[in-house]
Amino acid sequence: DAKTTQPDSMESTEGETVHLPCSHATISGNEYIYWYRQVPLQGPEYVTHGLQQNTTNSMAFLAIASDRKSSTLILPHVSLRDAAVYHCILRENTGYQNFYFGKGTSLTVIP
Amino acid sequence: EAAVTQSPRSKVAVTGGKVTLSCHQTNNHDYMYWYRQDTGHGLRLIHYSYVADSTEKGDIPDGYKASRPSQENFSLILELASLSQTAVYFCASSTRGPNERLFFGHGTKLSVL
Repeated sequence: DAKTTQPDSMESTEGETVHLPCSHATISGNEYIYWYRQVPLQGPEYVTHGLQQNTTNSMAFLAIASDRKSSTLILPHVSLRDAAVYHCILRENTGYQNFYFGKGTSLTVIP
Repeated sequence: EAAVTQSPRSKVAVTGGKVTLSCHQTNNHDYMYWYRQDTGHGLRLIHYSYVADSTEKGDIPDGYKASRPSQENFSLILELASLSQTAVYFCASSTRGPNERLFFGHGTKLSVL
């Protein structure tokens, strides 16, 4: 039961910075925002996650709106290897709750 | 780096036959999962396990059984394979807690003919 909304597809050129949006208007206070990406013929790969504060790692920067109703995954200086389907997922990390993978955003990177 | 290995990588099965997909993790994770992915769609959870010798139903368990004989191994069993079970199957493992994340295998492409 997806609680997030993402564009079906986006396109970028190598070297550009890409902003992948995700809307989650009904997010609850203890739900984390996760991002995974998947390339063809492989399983999804963890990118990042956060609760309230912006986060950064070697792969991406996650910007979370102050009201937490939206977030943006920022990929700096994309390369062809960043072409993938990016999934934005909400999940509580207490008890058991599934990771719900929707269709995500298919990112195309043009050389 | 965490590792989840699935076997086989691909399989062709006949309708009504028995199929076993295997998954092995070296992450020392308590939780393991089986997902299926149909072309152009997201992943759906079939079964999961949080401890050896115990399995739980996910969102689409019908037609599938699971087995967790040890912490490292988790199998998905199709007793009577059907055409509708043609899909790519992914195994994953995870810890629990605020920094939980799933580690996936490369997937098994199953074609039921």
